Amino acid sequence: RKEVEQDPGPFNVPEGATVAFNCTYSNSASQSFFWYRQDCRKEPKLLMSVYSSGNEDGRFTAQLNRASQYISLLIRDSKLSDSATYLCVVNNRNTGNQFYFGTGTSLTVIP
Amino acid sequence: GAGVSQSPSNKVTEKGKDVELRCDPISGHTALYWYRQSLGQGLEFLIYFQGNSAPDKSGLPSDRFSAERTGGSVSTLTIQRTQQEDSAVYLCASSLGNQPQHFGDGTRLSIL
Repeated sequence: RKEVEQDPGPFNVPEGATVAFNCTYSNSASQSFFWYRQDCRKEPKLLMSVYSSGNEDGRFTAQLNRASQYISLLIRDSKLSDSATYLCVVNNRNTGNQFYFGTGTSLTVIP
Repeated sequence: GAGVSQSPSNKVTEKGKDVELRCDPISGHTALYWYRQSLGQGLEFLIYFQGNSAPDKSGLPSDRFSAERTGGSVSTLTIQRTQQEDSAVYLCASSLGNQPQHFGDGTRLSIL
């Protein structure tokens, strides 16, 4: 079983729409969670960390559900510039501080 | 401050040649990771260095791949006797503890 699983999409949404991605992780001992964004032919860049109580950064909201072992990312009022692949990342210090990446969810925001 | 630096940005070489890829992590970051990414695919973990501990080499696809990290800073990833299936973008990342990883721009490797 993969450490991190994501729906690869693609998600095609109109400008202004709200879109949500989920990601599940297999190791209940995982401690740190992140969302990264990767543009075509570029390196992944940190979008936001995910905190236990949930957190918001502008139009982006991240949530963690430890009981069900999933994290989510909500994007409100989608912009064309939000088009990218969104990677879910889980860190587990118990496995030597390894970071586990999902394969990514592709988002295209359409004019 | 300076981010993760990788060189070269692009490398084209003939099948069978050896290549060396370099990664200079963010100063003070104790952990360094190598990944590769083929076109349209997800990140594939290769190797991970943490401080002075023995590296986690569990992701290296064959014994043609090796990596070193000298002085706890710069790392080189070496691929011997390259094959066409080695063509990919090789990404390096560094982190401090369980803080988020920061990635370099990658080396785009093409094997002819």
